[in-house]
Amino acid sequence: GESVGLHLPTLSVQEGDNSIINCAYSNSASDYFIWYKQESGKGPQFIIDIRSNMDKRQGQRVTVLLNKTVKHLSLQIAATQPGDSAVYFCAEMKNRDDKIIFGKGTRLHILP
Amino acid sequence: EPEVTQTPSHQVTQMGQEVILRCVPISNHLYFYWYRQILGQKVEFLVSFYNNEISEKSEIFDDQFSVERPDGSNFTLKIRSTKLEDSAMYFCASSVRGNSAEKLFFGSGTQLSVL
Repeated sequence: GESVGLHLPTLSVQEGDNSIINCAYSNSASDYFIWYKQESGKGPQFIIDIRSNMDKRQGQRVTVLLNKTVKHLSLQIAATQPGDSAVYFCAEMKNRDDKIIFGKGTRLHILP
Repeated sequence: EPEVTQTPSHQVTQMGQEVILRCVPISNHLYFYWYRQILGQKVEFLVSFYNNEISEKSEIFDDQFSVERPDGSNFTLKIRSTKLEDSAMYFCASSVRGNSAEKLFFGSGTQLSVL
């Protein structure tokens, strides 16, 4: 069945350190993976995406890594800032024309 | 920056009552969606809507649910007879083209509490 989930529900990181948020997915047919950020009181906001034919993609301060062999997706945030405090969801699509399936989310806490 | 607007932000209703959740998508968007998020759980797809008809719906979207775009700006989700388990945050989203994750914009949600 459909299943996109995260290893840890909560992650605490010191301000300035790098954060790594992990996600395991079960649908090997998925072609497209996305990371969303949800701040308190707001809807999910797109961060970065990656196609299944790639294993790494970089954005501004964020990097997404995809390991299809073990069906693992991760989001790396460099030099974590207080504004990075949020719940982060991984999501998948079978292809670009399919609906988005969200995982459960990891809450990122930034320690001063 | 344009945004998706949802009203009300909070809705409290009695079990069995009808509720209508309202959304104003971004003006040039053509694809519209409703998602919901039960407290502490993942965001779940409910329905997608394009060209004045439902494109796809999930198992959650049963006969108690309906969507409508009554005019050129509003997109509504109606729950005909609410149940306790309908309590959740409901997100509206819109995009210029279908199922574009990068171009999918979410509203801030309506928190529905069914008592």
